[in-house]
Amino acid sequence: DVKVTQSSRYLVKRTGEKVFLECVQDMDHENMFWYRQDPGLGLRLIYFSYDVKMKEKGDIPEGYSVSREKKERFSLILESASTNQTSMYLCASSPGTSGTATLETQYFGPGTRLLVL
Amino acid sequence: GQNIDQPTEMTATEGAIVQINCTYQTSGFNGLFWYQQHAGEAPTFLSYNVLDGLEEKGRFSSFLSRSKGYSYLLLKELQMKDSASYLCAVLDSNYQLIWGAGTKLIIKP
Repeated sequence: DVKVTQSSRYLVKRTGEKVFLECVQDMDHENMFWYRQDPGLGLRLIYFSYDVKMKEKGDIPEGYSVSREKKERFSLILESASTNQTSMYLCASSPGTSGTATLETQYFGPGTRLLVL
Repeated sequence: GQNIDQPTEMTATEGAIVQINCTYQTSGFNGLFWYQQHAGEAPTFLSYNVLDGLEEKGRFSSFLSRSKGYSYLLLKELQMKDSASYLCAVLDSNYQLIWGAGTKLIIKP
């Protein structure tokens, strides 16, 4: 079974703090993703990575950065947390890219619910 | 722009059948996914369609019409545990997943 873990289920931070969210997958997947999920808006892609040390901006990268130093680990960083970054953050991984269900299916971690005060 | 539309909320009765529709307009198409997400939990994979037609998997079936930009998820013999949000997502020409906002399904006894 694919397992994607996230460092925290719940997190409370203050405005201006630097926040690290970590994600680890144990299935040697090539691709990793960070999303945020807000009511009525669905999943919005923040950043993704197709390889170690490689990153690509998603739809809403402003205010975020990422790091992928090892294949299994993908970190999301909020340089200076703001109240509008209060959200559910979901990490996902997928085996590869080829347009087949086997490689494209994304597996999600349990999510981190972040509250910025 | 790219767009995925699905109803915000649906209600159905335990034991009945429900169809959740999804229409999409995307730059290219490399497949359509359905995911299930229980409240407070992560989405989990249900189905993937890339060719037109119906894919059946137990009580759940998914249909795709590429010419119409349309898919539906059919849930039969509804159980209380099927109460969840159902997310439609399309893989576009760049192999990026475009997500719908999800349909919250409420099952009543």
